[in-house]
Amino acid sequence: QSALTQPPSASGSPGQSVTISCTGTSSDVGGYNYVSWYQQHPGKAPKLMIYEDSKRPSGVPDRFSGSKSGNTASLTVSGLQAEDEADYYCSSYAGSNIFYVFGTGTKVTVL
Amino acid sequence: QLQLQESGPGLLKPSETLSLTCTVSGGSISSSSYYWGWIRQPPGKGLDWIASIYYTGSTYYNPSLKSRVTISVDTSKNQFSLKLSSVTAADTAVYYCFRQPLGTFDYWGQGTLVTVSS
Repeated sequence: QSALTQPPSASGSPGQSVTISCTGTSSDVGGYNYVSWYQQHPGKAPKLMIYEDSKRPSGVPDRFSGSKSGNTASLTVSGLQAEDEADYYCSSYAGSNIFYVFGTGTKVTVL
Repeated sequence: QLQLQESGPGLLKPSETLSLTCTVSGGSISSSSYYWGWIRQPPGKGLDWIASIYYTGSTYYNPSLKSRVTISVDTSKNQFSLKLSSVTAADTAVYYCFRQPLGTFDYWGQGTLVTVSS
């Protein structure tokens, strides 16, 4: 199964917004409302930031938002802060044969 | 607060079997709302889902690893485990255990590095 496609890198200055895309197919991203986004700081476990395409877990700042259009999901981080510098991964449910696929990952740099 | 903790050997030789256990505290593994499972991350690379299990023993596996992977659960110990047979250097990775509500992975262990080397 192929990984979901993310840009390798993204960047923005403090206070600005950055949007990361996650492109799949109609068999995964476009076929189910189960895209999630994870933040991973170096040497740490991933942290869930968005689930079911656009829902935020308790405790995640509302600066983080998720959306989806067709086979592409997006994560937007508004009002960038230094602590937002991390790797971000998307994942999607992909049906009862493949089950779950992850994105290739995007490194976000706060300039 | 729910916590997950991986444990197991950190160094294996090629062809050996990887065995890891995840101990869950602060919550019951027998909850009807969650699956539990494993994800791995090779050094410097992305995340790969390996397998998931329900407390009843219902399982599902990544098709690319299915022939070598077994996941099991011990509700009396609030633990679940992973076995990966015939390991090679390509199986060197940080292995994370997780809790899985429908469609996502919401709680993760800290991860444990498993290195395969002769």
